Amino acid sequence: KQEVTQIPAALSVPEGENLVLNCSFTDSAIYNLQWFRQDPGKGLTSLLLIQSSQREQTSGRLNASLDKSSGRSTLYIAASQPGDSATYLCAADSGTYKYIFGTGTRLKVLA
Amino acid sequence: DTGVSQDPRHKITKRGQNVTFRCDPISEHNRLYWYRQTLGQGPEFLTYFQNEAQLEKSRLLSDRFSAERPKGSFSTLEIQRTEQGDSAMYLCASQTGLNTEAFFGQGTRLTVV
Repeated sequence: KQEVTQIPAALSVPEGENLVLNCSFTDSAIYNLQWFRQDPGKGLTSLLLIQSSQREQTSGRLNASLDKSSGRSTLYIAASQPGDSATYLCAADSGTYKYIFGTGTRLKVLA
Repeated sequence: DTGVSQDPRHKITKRGQNVTFRCDPISEHNRLYWYRQTLGQGPEFLTYFQNEAQLEKSRLLSDRFSAERPKGSFSTLEIQRTEQGDSAMYLCASQTGLNTEAFFGQGTRLTVV
């Protein structure tokens, strides 16, 4: 049974810092892993999708990596801004018609 | 097409009442999902449709819950005899196919009083 863990649960950083969010999964037989952003009271916004054959994906200031052998993915945010403040969720797709989500990392970027 | 659309955005209902939510996926997305999210938790899978066929249901989906996707377009999620424990955000997502990016709607926030 796939389980997804995100550490830390919360993180505060000053504006301009580079930061890394961590996501761990127990079953390495995944099809893909997707990172989402969620603002308070809102739905999920897709950030990056990494397929199992890929090692990393980049979009603007975001870079996500995937290491299936160690069961880990990281989301790197460069030059953080106050507008990056949100909850970041990772979700693993093991080909079972559903994503398994972590509980998220609440990020606050201080101006 | 601007994305996955959910209606209503907020619903307050009295315990014991029935409620129905609607989801309009991105057009031509044949895969549609319903998830439930409670405060401080990640979304939990409820059910999945491929076109009009409901292919999987979570154990979380008790017999008070029913979902449909007539003609493989929009979907509805109905909760009968609501309980306070049903209070949550109900999220809908759609995909074009396996191993593609999933897109979520803004959710329906249900409060049962």
